[in-house]
Amino acid sequence: EAQVTQNPRYLITVTGKKLTVTCSQNMNHEYMSWYRQDPGLGLRQIYYSMNVEVTDKGDVPEGYKVSRKEKRNFPLILESPSPNQTSLYFCASSLREPSYEQYFGPGTRLTVT
Amino acid sequence: GENVEQHPSTLSVQEGDSAVIKCTYSDSASNYFPWYKQELGKRPQLIIDIRSNVGEKKDQRIAVTLNKTAKHFSLHITETQPEDSAVYFCAAFGAGNMLTFGGGTRLMVKP
Repeated sequence: EAQVTQNPRYLITVTGKKLTVTCSQNMNHEYMSWYRQDPGLGLRQIYYSMNVEVTDKGDVPEGYKVSRKEKRNFPLILESPSPNQTSLYFCASSLREPSYEQYFGPGTRLTVT
Repeated sequence: GENVEQHPSTLSVQEGDSAVIKCTYSDSASNYFPWYKQELGKRPQLIIDIRSNVGEKKDQRIAVTLNKTAKHFSLHITETQPEDSAVYFCAAFGAGNMLTFGGGTRLMVKP
């Protein structure tokens, strides 16, 4: 089954404790991205990757890191999480740039206390 | 960068009525405009999209119109049903390699 998976789905952590949210797709998509969703603000792009070893900042990259060592995986790293990073996070992928349909993962709800 | 504004933020309609959601964008280079539906607790899913060389596109009860001159596009849902209740997001893709989303519209269809 073609899909985008994310783990964990729910995470409660404390300020400053490094964490990683994994994202994987099995559709051989070149483009992958991370969004955060906050009420009234829609989906805001954090980072995106056009292909392996190619990543770029989105609209809200501060406090986040990503890597794209393999085509299927695109982990999101929070080196020192803060409460303002409490949000719902979605990973997405598309065949190439986002003028192709974006397929979203199930989401990760992160709470930083 | 691109800026997408979406209105209204909430919309309540009676079952069977039509619903219209409007978006404006700022970057005249934008050429692809998808609409996503997000049901409660679920992931966003593409429902319809339109490219800049087309003025209107229809798929059963949903349609999207694009006015490039005015830089706005709209989603039209006819004969609404309770299962249409969800949050709808418009988005625009342009010169950068990013999809910029509007703030979302919560549509409630009352039976």
